[in-house]
Amino acid sequence: SAVISQKPSRDICQRGTSLTIQCQVDSQVTMMFWYRQQPGQSLTLIATANQGSEATYESGFVIDKFPISRPNLTFSTLTVSNMSPEDSSIYLCSAFYGQGKTNEKLFFGSGTQLSVL
Amino acid sequence: GQSLEQPSEVTAVEGAIVQINCTYQTSGFYGLSWYQQHDGGAPTFLSYNALDGLEETGRFSSFLSRSDSYGYLLLQELQMKDSASYFCAVRDLKSNYQLIWGAGTKLIIKP
Repeated sequence: SAVISQKPSRDICQRGTSLTIQCQVDSQVTMMFWYRQQPGQSLTLIATANQGSEATYESGFVIDKFPISRPNLTFSTLTVSNMSPEDSSIYLCSAFYGQGKTNEKLFFGSGTQLSVL
Repeated sequence: GQSLEQPSEVTAVEGAIVQINCTYQTSGFYGLSWYQQHDGGAPTFLSYNALDGLEETGRFSSFLSRSDSYGYLLLQELQMKDSASYFCAVRDLKSNYQLIWGAGTKLIIKP
């Protein structure tokens, strides 16, 4: 199985500031995915991060608000910019890991619980 | 459009068997996955079905019927630690490596 280390695990931030979340995978992966999840709700995909190219953002999410870096095949960052209380949520990074049938297994980081005051 | 439907909440008794259903509508079905998420934790992979039939992993089994666009997760010998939310997710060819997620089923287990 893969191990994805995500930090910080939680943070409380002031509105108007930015927070960068880091995600480190213990093996090389092609794509990494950033999700947002409100308590009691399902996962919402923010963007897909590929190494060496710009991230692909889902409807409702823009690069200026959620810039993503993917400098290599084991690391990615998501920045939540100019935060407002509406950005309070849990942010999760993830990646498919493995070959063949096991490639369908999505591994997640432990999540970042963000509270914006 | 693409959508998945699963019950919002299921209640069962410790030691019993529970089935969580998932129906899906996608434009290019590739496979059905199940994930477990405990409160405050991240989702963890449980099972994956690409072909019709039953996949068994210990106390958990997952079933798929592609002709019915339907699958279920079967949990046997329920334990209190199985109290969690369970998400079905479909890999859609047209979404290219993305998973389309159901809203989740909260499983409540009573002693």
